[in-house]
Amino acid sequence: NAGVTQTPKFRVLKTGQSMTLLCAQDMNHEYMYWYRQDPGMGLRLIHYSVGEGTTAKGEVPDGYNVSRLKKQNFLLGLESAAPSQTSVYFCASSSWGQNSNQPQHFGDGTRLSIL
Amino acid sequence: AQSVAQPEDQVNVAEGNPLTVKCTYSVSGNPYLFWYVQYPNRGLQFLLKYITGDNLVKGSYGFEAEFNKSQTSFHLKKPSALVSDSALYFCAVRDPYNFNKFYFGSGTKLNVKP
Repeated sequence: NAGVTQTPKFRVLKTGQSMTLLCAQDMNHEYMYWYRQDPGMGLRLIHYSVGEGTTAKGEVPDGYNVSRLKKQNFLLGLESAAPSQTSVYFCASSSWGQNSNQPQHFGDGTRLSIL
Repeated sequence: AQSVAQPEDQVNVAEGNPLTVKCTYSVSGNPYLFWYVQYPNRGLQFLLKYITGDNLVKGSYGFEAEFNKSQTSFHLKKPSALVSDSALYFCAVRDPYNFNKFYFGSGTKLNVKP
């Protein structure tokens, strides 16, 4: 059982370049999330999805776009990368349970550097 | 706005001693609280959660957490620390008005020395 898989694991971009980060989960979870992790700031929610074909903005959505064309995949796009987007990006998924008690399952992250 | 705070960037403890990692929360409504652990170059792993009921919650790897409503705290504890417990620990709260959103603390690095 792979859980949540993120690709790529590492990437270096130049300012202005674009790229897409892929997240895949095999747990049939309804909800998927993209976070960024920066030193001393914990995790901040970028975008999330409550189901196939639906997405919503989180805490820090500017400069990012997402798509959820299939239930198992959640893509994060950077249209024009900026140095401020240098970070570690985590994807997570969760199911809906009684009393909202289901935790999130995380991938191992994508380390992205923008030069 | 919902938030959690982890007042200590780092906690140092000797192996075999009890450990506590602190977390306080600010939530409008009933809090849904979680603890996660992160090992180097890995994603976060779920440890335990408080939704309702008993204030002492037991989780994975011998960890437990105590929910204190009057002090708005949810401290993580373990009676006897192991060197392998050394990692980054995150407290998180789920927004009771928007279950799709979680808010994470800034993290506490736990160092357990032999």
